[in-house]
This record gives sequence, C-alpha cells and structure tokens, in this order.
Amino acid sequence: NAGVTQTPKFQVLKTGQSMTLQCAQDMNHEYMSWYRQDPGMGLRLIHYSVGAGITDQGEVPNGYNVSRSTTEDFPLRLLSAAPSQTSVYFCASSPTGTDTQYFGPGTRLTVL
Amino acid sequence: GQSLEQPSEVTAVEGAIVQINCTYQTSGFYGLSWYQQHDGGAPTFLSYNALDGLEETGRFSSFLSRSDSYGYLLLQELQMKDSASYFCAVRAMANQAGTALIFGKGTTLSVSS
Repeated sequence: NAGVTQTPKFQVLKTGQSMTLQCAQDMNHEYMSWYRQDPGMGLRLIHYSVGAGITDQGEVPNGYNVSRSTTEDFPLRLLSAAPSQTSVYFCASSPTGTDTQYFGPGTRLTVL
Repeated sequence: GQSLEQPSEVTAVEGAIVQINCTYQTSGFYGLSWYQQHDGGAPTFLSYNALDGLEETGRFSSFLSRSDSYGYLLLQELQMKDSASYFCAVRAMANQAGTALIFGKGTTLSVSS
C-alpha cells in the first residue's frame, strides 16, 4: 500500500491563480481530511469528508473548496490564491470507528 | 468550539523522562490523541485515550483525566530521535470517530546529549 499520497510536493502560485492539491489513499478509508500548518499555529482543519459525496467545513474553510467523488480521492481547490494561503497542506485519512489519522507527506504552497 | 493548550517548548537530556501536558475545552469529549511530527514531515499517531488512566506503548505513555480536562504524554528513556513536535488533539465532531481532529499548537521537544 502506498498509504496517503499528495501531489505536488511543492508549488508556487501568484495571487489570484487557482489550483488543485491532490490527495489519494489506497487503504479504503471512509474518512478524509485536509489540514493546513503554519508556524506556531499547529494543524488547522480546513474541510473533511465522511464518505463519497459527503463533505463538511472545518475550522478554516474560507477560500477552499473540496469534493469527494470517490472513496480514494479528496482534492482541495484554491479558487483564487492569496498570500495568506501560503502554508503546508496535509491530507489525512482514517478508518471508520477510530481516531487514528494517517497523514500524507504534505504539499508546501507559496503564494506570491 | 474546541481548544487545546500545551507548552510551546520542552527541553531534556538523553535518558531522562519528560512530560508534555495538554488541557482542553470541548463542547463534547470523545477522546484525546497524541501525534508526533519530525521537522515538518507527516504527523504520525502515537496514542489515544478515551477513558481515564494511563495507556502505555513502549517508552511512551499517555494519561487522561476527564474530570480535569487534562492529559499528558510521558516519554521515558529519551533518545535524540525523540526530538520532534508533539501535538494533542480531540475529535472535531460528535459521534464521528476518525472524521477529523482539532489539534493543539504543538510542543517542540529538544533532546540533548
């Protein structure tokens, strides 16, 4: 199993550009989440999903969209990037009934 | 909403024991988790407490007191490789085990020789 994979590993955007951060897992986990991590702020929940077709907002959802068309994939979309979205983004998945989250390696995003 | 408080930094020497505390405020409580993160890499799961008491996993133990809204992670026989950030976390949503977590800001542990 590859576990949780994220692409790209690094990305530089200009203000106003859009892009999609990809996340996939091959563990057949129902639950998936997106977090951002900024220095001194820990991990903050952006959006999460409890299964295909079901998503909900976390602590900091503004400026981000998600969809979950399959169990395996959970992309995060930035519609109009802003410098405040410069961060490290982690995707995670977890099996039903446990609080153990499996994290991907992260995407380091810089918005100029 | 939920919030968690933990110290920002802890230092210790090899072979020592260190305790990282976490206090939480939640609208509902379904367990306290601990994660380790090395140098900005992927966080990895360490332990989970749903009930009061001590859970032991090798050199690491985690404790929970629900009446005090308090928990801690205990690291024994510290090694240099234990230098990392440690996060406590609680479930974001009721009755949705595993969906998503709210994390504390993390404690940076520095182990010296």
